[in-house]
Amino acid sequence: GDSVTQMEGPVTLSEEAFLTINCTYTATGYPSLFWYVQYPGEGLQLLLKATKADDKGSNKGFEATYRKETTSFHLEKGSVQVSDSAVYFCALSENTGGFKTIFGAGTRLFVKA
Amino acid sequence: DARVTQTPRHKVTEMGQEVTMRCQPILGHNTVFWYRQTMMQGLELLAYFRNRAPLDDSGMPKDRFSAEMPDATLATLKIQPSEPRDSAVYFCASVGGQGYNEQFFGPGTRLTVL
Repeated sequence: GDSVTQMEGPVTLSEEAFLTINCTYTATGYPSLFWYVQYPGEGLQLLLKATKADDKGSNKGFEATYRKETTSFHLEKGSVQVSDSAVYFCALSENTGGFKTIFGAGTRLFVKA
Repeated sequence: DARVTQTPRHKVTEMGQEVTMRCQPILGHNTVFWYRQTMMQGLELLAYFRNRAPLDDSGMPKDRFSAEMPDATLATLKIQPSEPRDSAVYFCASVGGQGYNEQFFGPGTRLTVL
């Protein structure tokens, strides 16, 4: 079945450091890929998405590129801020109309001032 | 500003009591998911509905959990009887079917069963 594997946390960085959170997936078809973010006390919210191979999703300085050849969708940001401290979830959804989404385990990011 | 709402936001109850959690999906969204989140298990899919009909509830303990959509604007998740191991944050999410399968999450109900 479909699955998502992302790097374990927590990840602790200093402000303005470069961020990478690795994500790889297994899927039978051609899924859409997502990164969701969860701030303390809130539900998950979509950060960015990519719907086909080589697409790059971007939002709020975060980027991720859909790499079919390596089945990866790594999240990157060039300069993190304290306000980026949150839990990040990689996810996939097959484009078969079912809308079911498979989430990774989440990676907690702490950014120190 | 369309958003998913959940009530109550917090619930503390005693073991054996019935708990009902409610979710109002975004107007026009026809697919609703229920998730449970704990530190140990992470985010687990419990059940989901399309056009008010259950599509998959295989993630839900059938003996004590039940989920329904009495109408298009309300989804409910009920636990009877509740147990301490049910303590978690329960999220509802809805999808509009406009493409790309983005899920819109509610703020969650934090349940504590003593």
